[in-house]
Order: sequence, then structure tokens, then C-alpha cells
Amino acid sequence: GQNIDQPTEMTATEGAIVQINCTYQTSGFNGLFWYQQHAGEAPTFLSYNVLDGLEEKGRFSSFLSRSKGYSYLLLKELQMKDSASYLCAVRYNTDKLIFGTGTRLQVFP
Amino acid sequence: DTAVSQTPKYLVTQMGNDKSIKCEQNLGHDTMYWYKQDSKKFLKIMFSYNNKELIINETVPNRFSPKSPDKAHLNLHINSLELGDSAVYFCASSPGGFTDTQYFGPGTRLTVL
Repeated sequence: GQNIDQPTEMTATEGAIVQINCTYQTSGFNGLFWYQQHAGEAPTFLSYNVLDGLEEKGRFSSFLSRSKGYSYLLLKELQMKDSASYLCAVRYNTDKLIFGTGTRLQVFP
Repeated sequence: DTAVSQTPKYLVTQMGNDKSIKCEQNLGHDTMYWYKQDSKKFLKIMFSYNNKELIINETVPNRFSPKSPDKAHLNLHINSLELGDSAVYFCASSPGGFTDTQYFGPGTRLTVL
């Protein structure tokens, strides 16, 4: 079956760097998304990786290793507004998409 | 301008009732979706519509039926509501196929008493 694993919760300090990991087991892997979801709000798109390596977008970067079935989202210069859940989603078998349960990040002053 | 909108935002109802949730997108996207997010925050696709054609129907009870009057609208009708239907329901759209970047609506929190 298809499976995505993420840590349930993480905490970090304002201004710090945090790495949120995602491991997956799917057939026919075809891309990985990261979404941010603030409490009580809708998920919003952060990044997309289909090839191995690092994709940087401002304070956020996303890394993918297809051979290891592994991705991480790196958040730099953390701000209080970064407190949210971060969802990893994997595209597989061309036309399927599965979401992980998300990692709840709390940023403290 | 709201890209993907849903109504109502909150819906409280009794078991056994029938209810509908409406969704509209003004992004000109070809595909629209309904997701269910349960209390454990697990986000699961329910339906997908592309040009009025249902292209994905996950293992969802047939009490749930999507209705798309046109490309910009995808409504969700639920018959004989059950306690387990309580969740947040998100509508989403994407420019092309199912696995393009999803643009989510604000969600509808359904509580079945």
C-alpha cells in the first residue's frame, strides 16, 4: 500500500532553522508537494519536487531523494507566523495523490 | 477576489438529515475536488471533477454525491448524515490534471449531532 510518514509535532525558537522530514513508500512515484496549513484554515501550496535535490524559495527550501523515499522541508529564520501544520503529499501512478497527516510546528519567542 | 469559495463555513445538523455544501472557483481551472479532513487532520481526497466528468471517486459512501452544474462549481450533497461525517470538508481546484498544485477553499466545518 501507499504510505507517508511525518513527525506529528515539532517545536522551535523564533529565528532558528527547523527541518521537517517526510518519508514515503509508494509505487510509481511522480512528485512530492509540501503544503502549509494554519489552524482553522485551508492548506496552501509551498513547494513541489520531482527530481532529486534542493529547491529553494525564500526562507523555505525542500529537498528530495527518490532513491531513499525521503524529503524534507527546511524553514530558516523562523517567525511566529510559521506556526502551522506542514503537509507532505506524494503523487504516484500518474494520477494518484496521497497526503500525510502533517507535522504541527510550534514556534516560540 | 476569492479564488475558491465555499458555503457555508459552518454547518451543524442532526443525524439523518440531508445537506449540501457549495463550492465555486473563479480561477478558470479545469479540475475541482472535494477533500475530507478528519479530527486527526488526515486529508483525504473524496472526488474530482474535470469538465463535468467525475474522474476520481475514492472509497466514499454513496450517501455522498458531487454535483457540478458547470466548470466553475462543484457542490457536495450528503444524504442521511451520520456522526462519522463530522469533519472539515475542503473544496479545491487545479489548472490541469488531478495532481497539479491544488488551490483550496476555506473549508466547511460539518458537525453532526
